Amino acid sequence: GAGVSQSPSNKVTEKGKDVELRCDPISGHTALYWYRQSLGQGLEFLIYFQGNSAPDKSGLPSDRFSAERTGGSVSTLTIQRTQQEDSAVYLCASSVAPTGNYGYTFGSGTRLTVV
Amino acid sequence: AQKVTQAQTEISVVEKEDVTLDCVYETRDTTYYLFWYKQPPSGELVFLIRRNSFDEQNEISGRYSWNFQKSTSSFNFTITASQVVDSAVYFCALPSYNTDKLIFGTGTRLQVFP
Repeated sequence: GAGVSQSPSNKVTEKGKDVELRCDPISGHTALYWYRQSLGQGLEFLIYFQGNSAPDKSGLPSDRFSAERTGGSVSTLTIQRTQQEDSAVYLCASSVAPTGNYGYTFGSGTRLTVV
Repeated sequence: AQKVTQAQTEISVVEKEDVTLDCVYETRDTTYYLFWYKQPPSGELVFLIRRNSFDEQNEISGRYSWNFQKSTSSFNFTITASQVVDSAVYFCALPSYNTDKLIFGTGTRLQVFP
């Protein structure tokens, strides 16, 4: 697609439920990144993909968080048993190569609210 | 280790004032890139500039200019004659040591009042 697409744009869920966040990167971008931005905070790295592999998962905050990427394209970030502290904007970005040197194109984010 | 520091949490100016956003970084790399992104109230981060450490010339794009000083590890961003539409959070970023991802500063919120 023309840009990075994320869905849903907003998600309200009850504490303890599982959620799935989707990211559709720019066509041809091999690298895909997930970041989290809590209210008024900076960007916290979660995980990145090169193709379908995740060489760096160091930012995932707990084992309730997981992500996958299929076909070198769409990625899904799953949060199990959501907690209130998971409330944040989840940002996806893609890049032509798995190097920060090229910078990223970001999606509009998914605003997750856990009530 | 790689680090980006944006010491200014929030800046408020009146329209038409000039404003400078500071960015100081630490890196183990001898050559590297630096970035600025803008996050308007809509939330989507917008790329503004990528700068190679080889080139220390100042860069100007309309009302925006960037001052890169390798000697002080700074990459400051100036908006001349600010406008209300410049109100946003601005992030400075640097690739991680193995360059596989970007490390972002904590951002500076700029509010421009009419």
